[in-house]
Amino acid sequence: QVQLQESGPGLVKPSQTLSLTCTVSGGSISSGSYYWSWIRQPAGKGLEWIGRIYISGSTNYNPSLKSRVTISVDTSKNQFSLKLSSVTAADTAVYYCARGHGTPMYYYYFYMDVWGKGTTVTVSS
Amino acid sequence: QSVLTQPPSVSAAPGQKVTISCSGSSSNIGNNYVSWYQQLPGTAPKLLIYDDNKRPSGIPDRFSGSRSGTSATLGITGLQTGDEADYYCGTWDSNLSASNWVFGGGTKLTVL
Repeated sequence: QVQLQESGPGLVKPSQTLSLTCTVSGGSISSGSYYWSWIRQPAGKGLEWIGRIYISGSTNYNPSLKSRVTISVDTSKNQFSLKLSSVTAADTAVYYCARGHGTPMYYYYFYMDVWGKGTTVTVSS
Repeated sequence: QSVLTQPPSVSAAPGQKVTISCSGSSSNIGNNYVSWYQQLPGTAPKLLIYDDNKRPSGIPDRFSGSRSGTSATLGITGLQTGDEADYYCGTWDSNLSASNWVFGGGTKLTVL
């Protein structure tokens, strides 16, 4: 059974870069036709998709965040990561990582079936 | 403001049936599969329905999904107090300027 676990600093200063890692256990990040995604949720609000990466390195990002987001994968560590630059208080949220089904050939076919428990990130000086 | 519109809240009594709508457009629901996610209080979202109407292993058949035109619907029968949660629809959106995954705004289900 694949499990995902987010990790990273819980507090980030404004204008700095938020960096989170998602560790995949119970299976190889390189196996199967999966995307590896990040989603966030501000307190009391809805879900916002940040982006995804396929094992080939192909990425898709939310247009509203694209200029500040980088998602990468490290197959040797069975991990994938999120970097969000120039953060403000508006980036304060619970950040989730998730496994998604799909392939770049049919990029529009996608759903997320395994989620991490989430990690809270606060942007404050 | 999400491109997918869900009612903010719905409610029904235990044992009853409830439906949650998700309205979109031809750039999203009209041409792509919809999935639904359940988020119990204080927990991570959980996949309930994928490919419009398929249930992952372990999801009871009290939960069902459908899609018609530019709208999708989640149905829950035999409501239980444990079903109280936020429910989100999601699909791929492709318009002229961008292409990305979108979630609905979420619907809070109250089991009275």
